[in-house]
Amino acid sequence: GAVVSQHPSWVICKSGTSVKIECRSLDFQATTMFWYRQFPKQSLMLMATSNEGSKATYEQGVEKDKFLINHASLTLSTLTVTSAHPEDSSFYICSAGSPGSYEQYFGPGTRLTVT
Amino acid sequence: QKEVEQDPGPLSVPEGAIVSLNCTYSNSAFQYFMWYRQYSRKGPELLMYTYSSGNKEDGRFTAQVDKSSKYISLFIRDSQPSDSATYLCALKTGAGSYQLTFGKGTKLSVIP
Repeated sequence: GAVVSQHPSWVICKSGTSVKIECRSLDFQATTMFWYRQFPKQSLMLMATSNEGSKATYEQGVEKDKFLINHASLTLSTLTVTSAHPEDSSFYICSAGSPGSYEQYFGPGTRLTVT
Repeated sequence: QKEVEQDPGPLSVPEGAIVSLNCTYSNSAFQYFMWYRQYSRKGPELLMYTYSSGNKEDGRFTAQVDKSSKYISLFIRDSQPSDSATYLCALKTGAGSYQLTFGKGTKLSVIP
């Protein structure tokens, strides 16, 4: 149980375009989901926390207008990187929170390359 | 001083060796301690979850917490090439909180 999927697993886009990443909890309902980014040889940095049906809470330094997060259902959260630039190239990982145990279950990650 | 310090390695050991991975932390409010394993280009998976000082064993893995020294360890016995991954410690303050503070991760290679 507690499986989280992400789609796509790898995406290449051109500078200036937008890209959407989906995060799904497959076998449980997640009222809270998290988005992280991870640069090579670096740890996971929390970008934002999203609660189903409400606005996401962004960490300091994360541009909310650039990284749009939507958590419209208990099993789906999306991260849209708008007007992507090469510096946005990174590994984006989502996690879904288990309401009972307060554990986070991580997705497999999405590698974004902006050319 | 960062909240959680973890030597990024890389650490290279021969197959069958005992591996010791460590993190130190500065905030005494951390009460829950986790170790995640992350294979290259994959998301982290939870290996061990402990609360308070002491040891917890699961197969070849032992997690150790010393709250008085603010020091946590993960031991891997009889290491296998399949253990080659990055190991991240993660800490949180409360049982009713999702918020995790991660270490930088230690990259481990187990050489056959």
